[in-house]
Amino acid sequence: DQQVKQNSPSLSVQEGRISILNCDYTNSMFDYFLWYKKYPAEGPTFLISISSIKDKNEDGRFTVFLNKSAKHLSLHIVPSQPGDSAVYFCAASEGNKLVFGAGTILRVKS
Amino acid sequence: NAGVTQTPKFQVLKTGQSMTLQCAQDMNHNSMYWYRQDPGMGLRLIYYSASEGTTDKGEVPNGYNVSRLNKREFSLRLESAAPSQTSVYFCASSQLAGGTSTLDTQYFGPGTRLTVL
Repeated sequence: DQQVKQNSPSLSVQEGRISILNCDYTNSMFDYFLWYKKYPAEGPTFLISISSIKDKNEDGRFTVFLNKSAKHLSLHIVPSQPGDSAVYFCAASEGNKLVFGAGTILRVKS
Repeated sequence: NAGVTQTPKFQVLKTGQSMTLQCAQDMNHNSMYWYRQDPGMGLRLIYYSASEGTTDKGEVPNGYNVSRLNKREFSLRLESAAPSQTSVYFCASSQLAGGTSTLDTQYFGPGTRLTVL
């Protein structure tokens, strides 16, 4: 059973608008959460992270929100740009290992 | 710096053949990882090496072996390839085990696309 779930396989957003990518998890022992971005034919690259003791972390246009009671985190991208079009993976830390979600394809239309 | 490099980029095997996927990092990282990515499954950890001289199983180790040749290199071997091993394989490295601290993260290579017929 997947411990980290990204229930939306894809998302399409207009340039300049907000993109919201969601992630749910089941393991309450996860202590750190990360978002990775992946372009075609490349490896994933780290985007932003959040510790389980926080509820928000912001880095430029990217903000991650964590709701521990709901076991839910989200990534907000404001404003969205065409270059943000990629696959976004949510990941959670379990000891020395990362557990990844299946990914969400984001398409930003200009 | 090249970061994490993987060879080959593409490979086609027949069922039963063997091959080794190579990975090297030039960031002086202690920990290295092998993942596979399948449609709808995200990245799943095959094996990892927290430090030179140690290796541990991940979520899906069956059918694979690994060797941490030195601090830079971590190889993945398929002894007898099966069609179920058709996937994209990613190698990653991090300074600390897990790569999940505030100041550390995992860096990924570009991947090897493997097809087993």
